[in-house]
Amino acid sequence: DSGVTQTPKHLITATGQRVTLRCSPRSGDLSVYWYQQSLDQGLQFLIQYYNGEERAKGNILERFSAQQFPDLHSELNLSSLELGDSALYFCASSVGGGGTEQFFGPGTRLTVL
Amino acid sequence: TQLLEQSPQFLSIQEGENLTVYCNSSSVFSSLQWYRQEPGEGPVLLVTVVTGGEVKKLKRLTFQFGDARKDSSLHITAAQPGDTGLYLCAGEGRGGSNYKLTFGKGTLLTVNP
Repeated sequence: DSGVTQTPKHLITATGQRVTLRCSPRSGDLSVYWYQQSLDQGLQFLIQYYNGEERAKGNILERFSAQQFPDLHSELNLSSLELGDSALYFCASSVGGGGTEQFFGPGTRLTVL
Repeated sequence: TQLLEQSPQFLSIQEGENLTVYCNSSSVFSSLQWYRQEPGEGPVLLVTVVTGGEVKKLKRLTFQFGDARKDSSLHITAAQPGDTGLYLCAGEGRGGSNYKLTFGKGTLLTVNP
């Protein structure tokens, strides 16, 4: 158990819909990272927040957005969903803003039908 | 764009055999991390190598960082069924002041009893 929690574990929805994925980092960690994992693309970095502020951006689509709240939990919002958005979405957290070990949550499996 | 190529993509061996998996890039990384991911779970950090030529050992696992910090290898001695999983390498790069991990697509290892 990494100490990072993600909800829900599974999510099934239809194309065009919007969903929100939630992540609670380990106690004391200030950074939250979001990743997308699919069979063909592997693990892709989406976005990082550090202490409530966006720190780094990766391959995140404009239809996706994220935020980190004052209590440091984070949400990833996915809108206008497409079939290709079906994937595992992982959240990770770390103590610092970079160069430190990342601890991954168990992931949310999103299926878009 | 920094890319990490991992090989082989799939590896199936018998218990007790030795194996080596590779992680290669044309880019230089500040450090390189190896993770293991089991089905239904998030990646778990095994080791971080920082210095060119560095070798680290973790029980039966030996990790090496290339002299030029562009490649790495993971050698497992006397593999056991518990070693089964997806092995991911991740390179730490910096875009300005931002920290970013770039993941390879992984090597899926199956150790048969």
